Amino acid sequence: AQSVTQLDSQVPVFEEAPVELRCNYSSSVSVYLFWYVQYPNQGLQLLLKYLSGSTLVESINGFEAEFNKSQTSFHLRKPSVHISDTAEYFCAVSTPSGGYNKLIFGAGTRLAVHP
Amino acid sequence: NAGVTQTPKFRVLKTGQSMTLLCAQDMNHEYMYWYRQDPGMGLRLIHYSVGEGTTAKGEVPDGYNVSRLKKQNFLLGLESAAPSQTSVYFCASKEAVSYNEQFFGPGTRLTVL
Repeated sequence: AQSVTQLDSQVPVFEEAPVELRCNYSSSVSVYLFWYVQYPNQGLQLLLKYLSGSTLVESINGFEAEFNKSQTSFHLRKPSVHISDTAEYFCAVSTPSGGYNKLIFGAGTRLAVHP
Repeated sequence: NAGVTQTPKFRVLKTGQSMTLLCAQDMNHEYMYWYRQDPGMGLRLIHYSVGEGTTAKGEVPDGYNVSRLKKQNFLLGLESAAPSQTSVYFCASKEAVSYNEQFFGPGTRLTVL
């Protein structure tokens, strides 16, 4: 069965520092990959997604993620974080099982940005 | 567009009580989903629906029932609530296009005493 592993449950970082949130998945078939963000007391919002093509995908607020097929990873990075980036981040994968219409989520990484 | 809405936002139940959570979407999406979110476990799929009148079990369906009588609504029922069902419940919807993402509601925080 497919699974998603987020290697860090919590990541504390100072404002304006770079950050990387790690995500690995287990699948031998083509997958779609997603990063969702959940701000405190809110629902999940899509941050970015990888479907095919360029392995580097970017969001409008400065995050980027790189798909690495050989390492089955989809790590999320930002070169300089802001206080407003404090949130929980979820990596998710959809697979051909169910026609790419179901998501498997990682356990989440709580990013805490300190001044 | 309101997107995906959930009712109620908070609820406290006693063990054995029943309740229904309502999810509504105004995007004409075919697919709808119910998840539960527990600390350290991410989101787990309870039930989902691929269209009006159809439902299917997800990863953790026990203790829950669902109905999709109208395309825009997806109801999640707890017939006899248990403390293990204390959680935050999220509804999501999606177009019937494989590469499109799911859109999430704001969540319902349920406490079962």
